[in-house]
Amino acid sequence: SAVISQKPSRDICQRGTSLTIQCQVDSQVTMMFWYRQQPGQSLTLIATANQGSEATYESGFVIDKFPISRPNLTFSTLTVSNMSPEDSSIYLCSVGTREQYFGPGTRLTVT
Amino acid sequence: AQTVTQSQPEMSVQEAETVTLSCTYDTSESDYYLFWYKQPPSRQMILVIRQEAYKQQNATENRFSVNFQKAAKSFSLKISDSQLGDAAMYFCAYIWEETSGSRLTFGEGTQLTVNP
Repeated sequence: SAVISQKPSRDICQRGTSLTIQCQVDSQVTMMFWYRQQPGQSLTLIATANQGSEATYESGFVIDKFPISRPNLTFSTLTVSNMSPEDSSIYLCSVGTREQYFGPGTRLTVT
Repeated sequence: AQTVTQSQPEMSVQEAETVTLSCTYDTSESDYYLFWYKQPPSRQMILVIRQEAYKQQNATENRFSVNFQKAAKSFSLKISDSQLGDAAMYFCAYIWEETSGSRLTFGEGTQLTVNP
């Protein structure tokens, strides 16, 4: 399985600001995924990021709010824009086609 | 749409005993994959076990085994000889590959407590 790291591991941000989360994989992968896990809830897919193409967003998530970059086969970023307290969640990236392996997550608190 | 349901928000087990976590899913597909993930307080999602729908044999990984009932769309996880380190949130998940890519759908989770 791939080794996945995320930065930052946690952050506390002010309302109205933006935060960019980085996801680094130790091997080249075609597909990367970004998930949100709100407090006490399950994981929800935000978008799928393929290298060389625009990310595909799930219903309820839009590019203006969650822009994603995928500059190469080992790296991706997710930006949470114009944050509000409702964006306080754990954000996780994952890789894989059938079996998915997850990064350690980024715990975001918006005050 | 594919859905995954875990009807047990919380479960508890005594150390060294056996516990079974339930999961049901809804799909019209015939070829898919099912997983159990474990999320301890560290929040790291750990893949525990996988099952291919086309395989009749139930998957086993050490103390973890599944009971896969395809016709009933049921996928339960049995943990034998429970250990304190098994305490975590457990998520059942479903995936199938479609032309636009694969999507992993999670259940609501079951919080497992292991009592010493």
